[in-house]
Order: sequence, then structure tokens, then C-alpha cells
Amino acid sequence: SYVLTQPPSVSVAPGKTARITCGGNNIRTKSVHWYQQKPGQAPVLVIYYDSDRPSGIPERFSGSNSENTATLTLSWVEAGDEADYYCQVWDSSSDHPVVFGGGTKLTVL
Amino acid sequence: EVQLLESGGDLVQPGGSLRLSCVASGFSFSRNAMNWVRQAPGKGLEWVSGINAGGGNTFYADSVKGRFTISRDNSKNILYLQMNSLRDEDTAIYYCAKEGRPQTFDSWGQGVLVTVSS
Repeated sequence: SYVLTQPPSVSVAPGKTARITCGGNNIRTKSVHWYQQKPGQAPVLVIYYDSDRPSGIPERFSGSNSENTATLTLSWVEAGDEADYYCQVWDSSSDHPVVFGGGTKLTVL
Repeated sequence: EVQLLESGGDLVQPGGSLRLSCVASGFSFSRNAMNWVRQAPGKGLEWVSGINAGGGNTFYADSVKGRFTISRDNSKNILYLQMNSLRDEDTAIYYCAKEGRPQTFDSWGQGVLVTVSS
């Protein structure tokens, strides 16, 4: 089955740029979606189809997908961005098609 | 406003059964695929099961296949998850998630806790 690999943690200072990666075999051929989950809350979709933002998500959130790595980029990071971030793809070749990455804890220093 | 409200979580012994419900409102329930996603304590998200809009196609993670059954009642706007032969490792918060744009989960419930323990 398809595997998505994320770094367990990323740290960034306020006002800087954070990049969270999601590795997968030839992931560029798949659409990647990203979710933000704050403690005690349900996940929230922040990026879909690699780089599109749902309404209400700040422009500071952006995404890209290339070769074997998709990236979620948070510009001008704020304290409120501290959360767990998960990537997700749909593996159409499988009968259990939804795959999540292991998650990355973003810490704002 | 989309609302998804799960219920049915409880403490159950290993080998027991439980049925979760998710009442949906604020959108055309019968037009959207729905899913269950769980999160064990301190762990990441794990997709559990999905069902298409009409209810005719269902999908399961290997970890629950043969034990869990997803279903929906489009006349009542309710999604279900019947969980049988529960194991310790099924302990988790279970989220109901709406599939908006294909392949994406654009709305989630607040989650319901299932604890499997003797």
C-alpha cells in the first residue's frame, strides 16, 4: 500500500517560513491534501489538490507537489499556527484508498 | 453551515460491539460520500472506512475489514459505523468526515471517544 512520510517535527520562529514535507513514491502523480489539527480539535482542511486553499484559509498557507515530495509552506508564521499537520492522498489502485501521512508537529519558537 | 454530530462512543470490553452515528445537517447529505477517520490517543490520523453518496460502495482499512460495517440512511441524514469484535487497538476518537471535492475531507465532526478495555 502507498506510504506517506512526514518529519515528526518542525520548528520555526515567528515571522519566518515553515516548510513541512510529505514524501511518497512518485507523489507528483497524486493530488495531495493538507490538514491542520490543533490540540483537542478536529482536523481542518487547509490545502487541497496540491495548492488550492479553501475559503477562510489565509494566503500564508501554500502548497506544492513535485517528483517524490509535496510541501506545505507557511509564510510569516504566527503563534496560532502551532499545530499538527497531516498530508493525505487518494490511492486509486487500492481498495482502501485513503492514506494519511504520520503527521508533523509544528512548533513556533 | 455544515454540522456533523457523532454519538455512540462508550467504554466496551474486548470482543464487544458498538454502533456510532453521525447526524449531518447544513448540506445535501445524499450527494456526498462520507467517511470515518480515527485517532488513537497521542497518535496520528487513520482512515477507517468510506461510503459513496448512494451507499452502494463501501471501503475499509485492512485493520477493520470484516469487523466494521459502514452504512448510511439518506432519508435521515445519518452515517453509521457498526463495530464488532472490538480490540484494544480500536481505542480512539472516531471522526465523521464529509467528502467535499473528490478525495478531500472538507468538514469534520467533533469526534466521539471509543475505549476498548477490560
